[in-house]
Amino acid sequence: DTEVTQTPKHLVMGMTNKKSLKCEQHMGHRAMYWYKQKAKKPPELMFVYSYEKLSINESVPSRFSPECPNSSLLNLHLHALQPEDSALYLCASSPRTSEGETQYFGPGTRLLVL
Amino acid sequence: GENVEQHPSTLSVQEGDSAVIKCTYSDSASNYFPWYKQELGKGPQLIIDIRSNVGEKKDQRIAVTLNKTAKHFSLHITETQPEDSAVYFCAARARGSARQLTFGSGTQLTVLP
Repeated sequence: DTEVTQTPKHLVMGMTNKKSLKCEQHMGHRAMYWYKQKAKKPPELMFVYSYEKLSINESVPSRFSPECPNSSLLNLHLHALQPEDSALYLCASSPRTSEGETQYFGPGTRLLVL
Repeated sequence: GENVEQHPSTLSVQEGDSAVIKCTYSDSASNYFPWYKQELGKGPQLIIDIRSNVGEKKDQRIAVTLNKTAKHFSLHITETQPEDSAVYFCAARARGSARQLTFGSGTQLTVLP
């Protein structure tokens, strides 16, 4: 089973709201990723967690706050977002962050910021 | 850093024909090259990948070829079907920057019935 699940599927929020995106995998993977994808563009890496520790932050604004409570779960906390943050947010996981390790993506959360 | 260029950006083929999508990469240290298919409203799905110690890999109607000297790799889909219609992304990962995939810009493939 190579399934990564994400909730919610869709989210609409105002610029003053606080919301969270959730990601879960039960493949025993120890690396998890958040990507942002705009329409007709490739995914852009935001964060990487390796063994539940944040290992990469691609200069993402602080209004995005990741959290990895355990090896199966990854959250992305959202606060005071801007309309330009509207996008598809993808979670992915891989066995580790080693070379050549396949990343498996979830279905994404489509976020609209009003 | 790595740069991946992907062509064409759009591709239309008749059902049953073959489709070829090409990518070039800049970092000669890159050693892992996955291809993802993304259908409308869904996340990218890995369809095939190749490592730099292999020149070609095939899985049913899908094949990937890698030319390390020229630093390019290609996706070949034979006997295309309407359900092959999607956006396809190539990616590359360099040795030493193991946590990051660099994606190509994507190809919208349309298979006409």
